[in-house]
Amino acid sequence: DTAVSQTPKYLVTQMGNDKSIKCEQNLGHDTMYWYKQDSKKFLKIMFSYNNKELIINETVPNRFSPKSPDKAHLNLHINSLELGDSAVYFCASSPRQGTDTQYFGPGTRLTVL
Amino acid sequence: AQSVTQLDSQVPVFEEAPVELRCNYSSSVSVYLFWYVQYPNQGLQLLLKYLSGSTLVKGINGFEAEFNKSQTSFHLRKPSVHISDTAEYFCAVSDQGFQKLVFGTGTRLLVSP
Repeated sequence: DTAVSQTPKYLVTQMGNDKSIKCEQNLGHDTMYWYKQDSKKFLKIMFSYNNKELIINETVPNRFSPKSPDKAHLNLHINSLELGDSAVYFCASSPRQGTDTQYFGPGTRLTVL
Repeated sequence: AQSVTQLDSQVPVFEEAPVELRCNYSSSVSVYLFWYVQYPNQGLQLLLKYLSGSTLVKGINGFEAEFNKSQTSFHLRKPSVHISDTAEYFCAVSDQGFQKLVFGTGTRLLVSP
């Protein structure tokens, strides 16, 4: 059973389109995160949510809008996709805000043409 | 602000040889340090972490790391590597509140026969 799952695994789309990536965790965790890994493997946090509330927004363009319908899900919607959005997006979760270990999903590779 | 430096982007090593992956951090407050591993086409998995106590930390798969406050380092070591250890290794630092992880740029460990 996958603890943190993401769909889709691969996403190829044209510039200007709007797309969503879904994340679900079945660990009963309160806190979820989105990270972006660029082509040089640099990994940086984008957002974190705790019990459906936004905690961290790391100066991400407002074309990116996370949505947490419940604490087991954190989806990422991206408007007007740009070439520079091409990356691998990782979802992660931790038991509650302020706990040390984060559990990562398998990633979604987004390619913008 | 916290930061992590992984000076080696790639470390080639022969199977059964020892390896050390270097990590240096910068922080003005107490830190918590982590090593994560990313196998090809997978998400990140926690190898080990330093929160407090003994400066020598043992993790999974035979890895260990030593926290050195005076040198602001947290180098990862394994006495004898296997082909299956080929992966990307990320050092990360978190503040006391564990609000987010700040990652280094990663070190690719390449183990050859």
